[in-house]
Amino acid sequence: NAGVMQNPRHLVRRRGQEARLRCSPMKGHSHVYWYRQLPEEGLKFMVYLQKENIIDESGMPKERFSAEFPKEGPSILRIQQVVRGDSAAYFCASSGTGGTEAFFGQGTRLTVV
Amino acid sequence: AQTVTQSQPEMSVQEAETVTLSCTYDTSESDYYLFWYKQPPSRQMILVIRQEAYKQQNATENRFSVNFQKAAKSFSLKISDSQLGDAAMYFCAYRSDNNAGNMLTFGGGTRLMVKP
Repeated sequence: NAGVMQNPRHLVRRRGQEARLRCSPMKGHSHVYWYRQLPEEGLKFMVYLQKENIIDESGMPKERFSAEFPKEGPSILRIQQVVRGDSAAYFCASSGTGGTEAFFGQGTRLTVV
Repeated sequence: AQTVTQSQPEMSVQEAETVTLSCTYDTSESDYYLFWYKQPPSRQMILVIRQEAYKQQNATENRFSVNFQKAAKSFSLKISDSQLGDAAMYFCAYRSDNNAGNMLTFGGGTRLMVKP
């Protein structure tokens, strides 16, 4: 049973470009969570999605950031017009319905130059 | 809102010795879960141990154990017989039992160094 898969592992974008981060949850999991980890800090919750629904986006910046989890395919975290402050590691986690543990992917390290 | 605080940015331990990492949290809820995660240089978040707040007994996983003090809102991690492979960032995390999901609130982390 493959774990949570994130790609790419590393992503470099120039200021003003768009970044797309992908997350495939563990098989059978329908709940996805995105977190951001700034250098030397802990992970901060961004958004919680179920298939085709955003459940909680209280941690998402109001502008430039969006997330989706379509019926088919991976969850996507999209950052438009990236700025240097967006440089961070972005983690995805997934869980099953009723489960009490979330499993993490290896993260995507975004560098904005 | 819940907050999680790890007051030790760095800790150091001699190989084979015991070390305790501190964590305090603030919540008004009575039902919740607490976790310790390990993050080695590979960045992978590895669950070390978990504790349900309704359980009085402290969780134990091999060399890892916790001291859960619910009234004091304290959740420390003890690592016994420390090994070189234990060197990593350690994060304490809180999860409410009152919502539908597994959203976690993390502390700022403690970097553990293990000396040979």
